[in-house]
Amino acid sequence: KQEVTQIPAALSVPEGENLVLNCSFTDSAIYNLQWFRQDPGKGLTSLLLIQSSQREQTSGRLNASLDKSSGRSTLYIAASQPGDSATYLCAVTENSWGKLQFGAGTQVVVTP
Amino acid sequence: GAVVSQHPSWVICKSGTSVKIECRSLDFQATTMFWYRQFPKQSLMLMATSNEGSKATYEQGVEKDKFLINHASLTLSTLTVTSAHPEDSSFYICSASSGTADYNEQFFGPGTRLTVL
Repeated sequence: KQEVTQIPAALSVPEGENLVLNCSFTDSAIYNLQWFRQDPGKGLTSLLLIQSSQREQTSGRLNASLDKSSGRSTLYIAASQPGDSATYLCAVTENSWGKLQFGAGTQVVVTP
Repeated sequence: GAVVSQHPSWVICKSGTSVKIECRSLDFQATTMFWYRQFPKQSLMLMATSNEGSKATYEQGVEKDKFLINHASLTLSTLTVTSAHPEDSSFYICSASSGTADYNEQFFGPGTRLTVL
C-alpha cells in the first residue's frame, strides 16, 4: 500500500529565505507526482506536476525534483514571500486514472 | 479554464438531517469526479470516484448508504450526507477530470465545510 510522507509538518521562515519541502513515498511505481497549495479553508491549487519519466519541473520561483528510485520529491521555493504562507501537499498517482494519494502536508509560514 | 465550483461553501445542520453538496465543472465536461474528505490538520482522503451515468466506486471503509453520490450529468455531481452526525463534520472537497488527456488531471473545487451540531 502506497504511503506518502511529508517532512517537516510545519515550517516558519523569514521573508526572503528559500523554502525546501520534502515528500517521500513508499512505492516507487508511480505514474506522476503533484505538488499542491492549500490556503486555510480553501480547496487545492495545483503547482507542479512531474511525470514519472521526468526529473524536475519549474514554474517561476518554484522547482520540484523527483527521484523515483529513492521515492523522494523536493519542492523548492526561492526567495519566499509572506504570500507563500499556506499548506503544501504532495500527491502521487499510480496510473493514468488519476487516483491521488496525498501526504499530510507541510504548513508554511513566511514572516515579514 | 478548468474551473470547478462547489455549493454550498459551508453548511451547519442538526444531527439526523441530510445535507446535499454540489460539485460543478464550469468550463469543461467532467467524465469523472472525485469526492474527498479532510479532517483538521489532516490530509485529503478519497471517499469515492464517480463516472457520469454509472454508480460510484467507494473506497474501503466509506459507507455508500451514508454518503450518496450522484453523477447525473457531465458537469454535475452531488454528495448527500444522509442522517448526518457530529462525526461527519469535516471539509468535503470534490475534483473533476475531463478524461481527454493521457493523464486525467484533476481540478479541485473550493471545498464545503460541514458542521453537524
